[in-house]
Amino acid sequence: NAGVTQTPKFRVLKTGQSMTLLCAQDMNHEYMYWYRQDPGMGLRLIHYSVGEGTTAKGEVPDGYNVSRLKKQNFLLGLESAAPSQTSVYFCASSRPGSKRPSTSGQARPLETQYFGPGTRLLVL
Amino acid sequence: DQQVKQNSPSLSVQEGRISILNCDYTNSMFDYFLWYKKYPAEGPTFLISISSIKDKNEDGRFTVFLNKSAKHLSLHIVPSQPGDSAVYFCAAMPRTSGSRLTFGEGTQLTVNP
Repeated sequence: NAGVTQTPKFRVLKTGQSMTLLCAQDMNHEYMYWYRQDPGMGLRLIHYSVGEGTTAKGEVPDGYNVSRLKKQNFLLGLESAAPSQTSVYFCASSRPGSKRPSTSGQARPLETQYFGPGTRLLVL
Repeated sequence: DQQVKQNSPSLSVQEGRISILNCDYTNSMFDYFLWYKKYPAEGPTFLISISSIKDKNEDGRFTVFLNKSAKHLSLHIVPSQPGDSAVYFCAAMPRTSGSRLTFGEGTQLTVNP
């Protein structure tokens, strides 16, 4: 059980080049997410998916596209990379969340997101 | 605007002492709060959570406190250990968004031996 894996771990791009980041999960999770992490800004949601064949925009979607052709995979594409896209990218997956607050004392809610190890991208 | 804010970028404590990490939020729709821990070159991992119907949740050395009227939560680690040195992210989830999380900026905790 590998959890969430990301490919590649590190990549250097020139401005204008394109690339695809691959995320795979083996936990049969419905929901998948792509975040970027920048110094002093925490994790910001780029795009997410609530099921196979569906995607939606997050907080910072400009310059990125995504696809979810298979339940276990979530791809993040950069069509024309820019230096502002230099960042660490994290993929995550989770089960669907409940619409009501949890009343149980469970330590780990169903909605807990599981993260991959990250992809470090440098755009020159 | 930053809906979840961690005002302290870093915190340094001695081994054995208490670590207190703070988080403030502005969105009244948030009803579930989580803390994630992140080591260098790894992805964040879930640490502890709390529902808005509770004001305290404890798991071993980790306790999260929620003050809804002040829109403030804190993570207490007692006793702190050198292995706790990591970046801690506070995150919040509104009931209407399913599993979408909004993260704070993170606080780098260093526990000195």
